[in-house]
Amino acid sequence: QVQLQESGPGLVKPSQTLSLTCTVSGGSISSGGYYWSWIRQHPGKGLEWIGYIYYSGSTYYNPSLKSRVTISVDTSKNQFSLKLSSVTAADTAVYYCARLALLLSDAFDIWGQGTMVTVSS
Amino acid sequence: EIVLTQSPGTLSLSPGERATLSCRASQSVSSSYLAWYQQKPGQAPRLLIYGASSRATGIPDRFSGSGSGTDFTLTISRLEPEDFAVYYCQHSRTFGQGTKVEIK
Repeated sequence: QVQLQESGPGLVKPSQTLSLTCTVSGGSISSGGYYWSWIRQHPGKGLEWIGYIYYSGSTYYNPSLKSRVTISVDTSKNQFSLKLSSVTAADTAVYYCARLALLLSDAFDIWGQGTMVTVSS
Repeated sequence: EIVLTQSPGTLSLSPGERATLSCRASQSVSSSYLAWYQQKPGQAPRLLIYGASSRATGIPDRFSGSGSGTDFTLTISRLEPEDFAVYYCQHSRTFGQGTKVEIK
């Protein structure tokens, strides 16, 4: 079955760029019908959608983060990535990659385990 | 942008009891594109319900979803010990703030 795994630094300095990668296993990122997503969760808080990408490269971003977010896809590696620039302590959170399934009425049916990213000098 | 408001914030119940969780949308949700997730401490959310009322693969039938338009409900018919968790509703790119189901 399809599995997602986040990877990247757990500590990022303020003003730098947070970079995370999600590796998809057990299936192809190029199969249609899915948007490959990033979602974060601040400590003790709810879920915040960051953005998603289709395998073709079409992207959609949360308007509140749009100026700082870039999501890209590498179909040859079956991976997609998140870059969040100019980070501050407010970007400290657990970051999840997830698959949005169009056939499941746009539900996020598969999630990575999440990776904690702390922004601190 | 649609805002999802979940209630109550916390639900204190005993194992075996029925849990009823509410999710209200600020405007009508098209085609019942409403999902429910369960999240336990230290774990990623898990999809329970999609399309307002369809159970995801492997989800026990004690979980059921209902509703349309702006009002949606997640019902857990008889709480098992493993059901005590936080539950979120979701529409499109928006999540509710969550309802915590705790042991009374």
